[in-house]
Amino acid sequence: DVKVTQSSRYLVKRTGEKVFLECVQDMDHENMFWYRQDPGLGLRLIYFSYDVKMKEKGDIPEGYSVSREKKERFSLILESASTNQTSMYLCASGWRGRDGYTFGSGTRLTVV
Amino acid sequence: QKEVEQNSGPLSVPEGAIASLNCTYSDRGSQSFFWYRQYSGKSPELIMSIYSNGDKEDGRFTAQLNKASQYVSLLIRDSQPSDSATYLCAAQNYGGSQGNLIFGKGTKLSVKP
Repeated sequence: DVKVTQSSRYLVKRTGEKVFLECVQDMDHENMFWYRQDPGLGLRLIYFSYDVKMKEKGDIPEGYSVSREKKERFSLILESASTNQTSMYLCASGWRGRDGYTFGSGTRLTVV
Repeated sequence: QKEVEQNSGPLSVPEGAIASLNCTYSDRGSQSFFWYRQYSGKSPELIMSIYSNGDKEDGRFTAQLNKASQYVSLLIRDSQPSDSATYLCAAQNYGGSQGNLIFGKGTKLSVKP
């Protein structure tokens, strides 16, 4: 089975802190994605990457950056955490094709 | 703006009944379609994919696709309380946006014992 592993299940950070969310997949997938999910707003795409060192902005990239130095790892960085970034963060990976994405278990981030 | 629309629900059905979940999509170039199930507090899990017009069955689940009407549905037969979850519909266009999935906001299903 494909595994997408997110480093933390729950995180509590203070306003202004730099926050790193890590995601690792074990299936050599080309594409990796970061979403946030909030009640009533559905899944919103923050950034995605279709190759090492490549990144593309999604729908809501402001306040975030990403890094993909190795194919299996995709990191989401909150440069200066704010309370409106309190959310569930979901990483996903997949082929560019027919198989859909596999999601990690998610990180529930609370910024206080 | 490419969109996938779903009724947010909640859709309530009695145990043993057929649950019918629907979605429409705006991008006529979409080629692949997926249904994800998401339990409260958990991440989405892929349960069905469909690529051709018609029906695709997997156990108690049947996905239906009508590209002319830009309509996708998921039928759950013999619904169980354990099917209570939010169901996300997604569409994919290989040629656009690197083949990213476009997700609907989900339909919440409640199966009453």
